[in-house]
Amino acid sequence: DQQVKQNSPSLSVQEGRISILNCDYTNSMFDYFLWYKKYPAEGPTFLISISSIKDKNEDGRFTVFLNKSAKHLSLHIVPSQPGDSAVYFCAASAEGSQGNLIFGKGTKLSVKP
Amino acid sequence: DTGVSQNPRHKITKRGQNVTFRCDPISEHNRLYWYRQTLGQGPEFLTYFQNEAQLEKSRLLSDRFSAERPKGSFSTLEIQRTEQGDSAMYLCASSTYYEQYFGPGTRLTVT
Repeated sequence: DQQVKQNSPSLSVQEGRISILNCDYTNSMFDYFLWYKKYPAEGPTFLISISSIKDKNEDGRFTVFLNKSAKHLSLHIVPSQPGDSAVYFCAASAEGSQGNLIFGKGTKLSVKP
Repeated sequence: DTGVSQNPRHKITKRGQNVTFRCDPISEHNRLYWYRQTLGQGPEFLTYFQNEAQLEKSRLLSDRFSAERPKGSFSTLEIQRTEQGDSAMYLCASSTYYEQYFGPGTRLTVT
């Protein structure tokens, strides 16, 4: 049973517009959430994270929002750039775990010029 | 380059052969993780080291898989008697705590 779900396999956005990538989780023990970006033939690159004690974290063009009651988080990229085209993975770590991450299946973002 | 490195980047082997992969983490990171990723899936956790101690293993890690991290520096992942189902990208990551930094991965193809 998937504990971290990214229900949109793909998303297409126009350059300059906002990209919103969504992630849902089922395990209430998750207390830390991360987003990674992955280009083909490369390992995932860490983007941004958020602790469960916060509801928002911002880093430049990237903002992550956490809604604990809905067990939902989202990554906003604004403005979107063609270089943002990649697969984005949502990941979570459970309280009391050794920090191993549970990943979603990813959303492929295409930003069109 | 002070990132995580993995070798080899690609490995093609015949079913039944043994293979070994190496991971060199970021030098100041005491935590090291191995993951496996197959097509259309996110990375799946395999095992975790804190310094030289292997503290957690996933049920995905069958008896044919073994990992070591001698002296708490680099790590090796060995797969014995490879099967076609072992074909995947094997990813190594290191961290000091939550944020894990991944290497480029080793793509294993078992023919």
